[in-house]
Amino acid sequence: DVKVTQSSRYLVKRTGEKVFLECVQDMDHENMFWYRQDPGLGLRLIYFSYDVKMKEKGDIPEGYSVSREKKERFSLILESASTNQTSMYLCASSPWTRANTEAFFGQGTRLTVV
Amino acid sequence: DAKTTQPTSMDCAEGRAANLPCNHSTISGNEYVYWYRQIHSQGPQYIIHGLKNNETNEMASLIITEDRKSSTLILPHATLRDTAVYYCIVRVGAAGNKLTFGGGTRVLVKP
Repeated sequence: DVKVTQSSRYLVKRTGEKVFLECVQDMDHENMFWYRQDPGLGLRLIYFSYDVKMKEKGDIPEGYSVSREKKERFSLILESASTNQTSMYLCASSPWTRANTEAFFGQGTRLTVV
Repeated sequence: DAKTTQPTSMDCAEGRAANLPCNHSTISGNEYVYWYRQIHSQGPQYIIHGLKNNETNEMASLIITEDRKSSTLILPHATLRDTAVYYCIVRVGAAGNKLTFGGGTRVLVKP
């Protein structure tokens, strides 16, 4: 069974803390993505990566950074967490191919910043 | 990527077919139609995708109009477990596989 695993299901952090959200996939996929999901706003792309050490900004990158040191792991970093970053965070992966493929999502991390 | 328009919500009866429409009138020739769904408290799950021809798999059927400006996802025998938000996404089938989600249709399957 293919798997995208996010390190925490629920997380509570304080304002100003540095927060790491980890995502690991076991499918040898090249592409990895971070989304956030908020009521009424749907899923919005924060950052994505096509390869190790490569990253591209998505639609809402402000306040976030990412790290991809190994192919299987894609980390989302909140340098200084703020209350407006309270959200559900979803990681996804997909293979790099010119043919159409599906993306696989993790179960999500519900982050609360207090 | 082309924008899609879906109804906000719909109900359907358990055991009946559920037909979920999607408009994508600005779709271009190299863009595919994808459907995902998200069951409460879970990550989105791929259902099906297509370019021009109708497609069927074990989960659903996808009917794309000849002009490709709209499509319909059909769940042939809806069950209570099909209650979810269904997203229609249109994107170029090239490098990156980046997905842009719209609001989706909240489907409630009723007994």
